[in-house]
Amino acid sequence: AQSVAQPEDQVNVAEGNPLTVKCTYSVSGNPYLFWYVQYPNRGLQFLLKYITGDNLVKGSYGFEAEFNKSQTSFHLKKPSALVSDSALYFCAVRDTGGFKTIFGAGTRLFVKA
Amino acid sequence: EPEVTQTPSHQVTQMGQEVILRCVPISNHLYFYWYRQILGQKVEFLVSFYNNEISEKSEIFDDQFSVERPDGSNFTLKIRSTKLEDSAMYFCASSGWHRDSGANVLTFGAGSRLTVL
Repeated sequence: AQSVAQPEDQVNVAEGNPLTVKCTYSVSGNPYLFWYVQYPNRGLQFLLKYITGDNLVKGSYGFEAEFNKSQTSFHLKKPSALVSDSALYFCAVRDTGGFKTIFGAGTRLFVKA
Repeated sequence: EPEVTQTPSHQVTQMGQEVILRCVPISNHLYFYWYRQILGQKVEFLVSFYNNEISEKSEIFDDQFSVERPDGSNFTLKIRSTKLEDSAMYFCASSGWHRDSGANVLTFGAGSRLTVL
């Protein structure tokens, strides 16, 4: 069975500072890993994915994430946060053999001006 | 940019009533999904649908739930007899890549908010 953990309900960061949103996962095979963002009263929007290859993947809006197989982690990062980055962020995983993508509980990011 | 559209945006119903939530996935996508989100929290997988049949479903997706693709464009979720705990935001999603390619990025609709009284 696959699972995703986002240990922080909320992350607070000042504008201009780097941000990290943590994610760990568990799958039986090789993982496909994703980050999605949700703004108020909207559906989830795709940010980036890791399928294979380079452990550092770059996505939309200056976000990037680092895949760490030994720690089964896929943390989301951004070098310099913007107030407009404030939203709900979801890490997700899909087992290579399955149809379903499983989402973590979400981490609310607050960026203060 | 292609998008997934969902109707209605908000539905209020009485407990025990049947509800149908409708979705129009992106036209060349092959895989379709329903998720739900309660109180803006965890996004829970309900069901995936491929090649006109359910490919996977969660334990939430019991006999009260069903999905259908009645024509070439619509994808519906039916709840036969709603319960209070069915109140949630229901998201439809679709993806266009073969599952083995690993690139199954989901495109979500804006959601249908279901309120059961």
